[in-house]
Amino acid sequence: QKEVEQNSGPLSVPEGAIASLNCTYSDRGSQSFFWYRQYSGKSPELIMFIYSNGDKEDGRFTAQLNKASQYVSLLIRDSQPSDSATYLCAPRRGDSNYQLIWGAGTKLIIKP
Amino acid sequence: NAGVTQTPKFRILKIGQSMTLQCTQDMNHNYMYWYRQDPGMGLKLIYYSVGAGITDKGEVPNGYNVSRSTTEDFPLRLELAAPSQTSVYFCASSYSDRPNYGYTFGSGTRLTVV
Repeated sequence: QKEVEQNSGPLSVPEGAIASLNCTYSDRGSQSFFWYRQYSGKSPELIMFIYSNGDKEDGRFTAQLNKASQYVSLLIRDSQPSDSATYLCAPRRGDSNYQLIWGAGTKLIIKP
Repeated sequence: NAGVTQTPKFRILKIGQSMTLQCTQDMNHNYMYWYRQDPGMGLKLIYYSVGAGITDKGEVPNGYNVSRSTTEDFPLRLELAAPSQTSVYFCASSYSDRPNYGYTFGSGTRLTVV
């Protein structure tokens, strides 16, 4: 079992719709979770993080966390073609706070 | 404020050659990391450092070495390059090990070994 599981995609979503990206993790000690966006040929950039169960909203992005189910998701509302990228889920290790565990990412394509 | 700066951006090496990938950050971050990313794959940790003079191996350290003589610089050394080291290399840094601090990445070095 991988430490972080993400559907590799591609996930195709029409422009203006909601894109839903999912991530499951195995480390029950993980307390904080990060979502990064990576455009093709570029470096990852931080979108948002969450560490409490429930929802956290930031503009068009909403992160959702359920620690009991070891599940974290990212919703993108009013999807734009510029949202087309690979989205990386990264829980922080429970045994050493300074390391993130990286998923392989989900490729999102927003169709105009 | 430049953030994390990596040089070079591109490099082609011949098998058996050596090189150093440079990484500098100007954010006074204590924590620094080197990752490699192969096509369609996730980030794999090569080495990391929690402060000047302190380094440790990640999950794929073989064929690489690092040093951390200053807070700002964290160079990655490739000795005896092999085709398996063809990859994109990212340096990252973090201010703290607090739960709500993420990583800031450099723009990457695309390395090809032929």
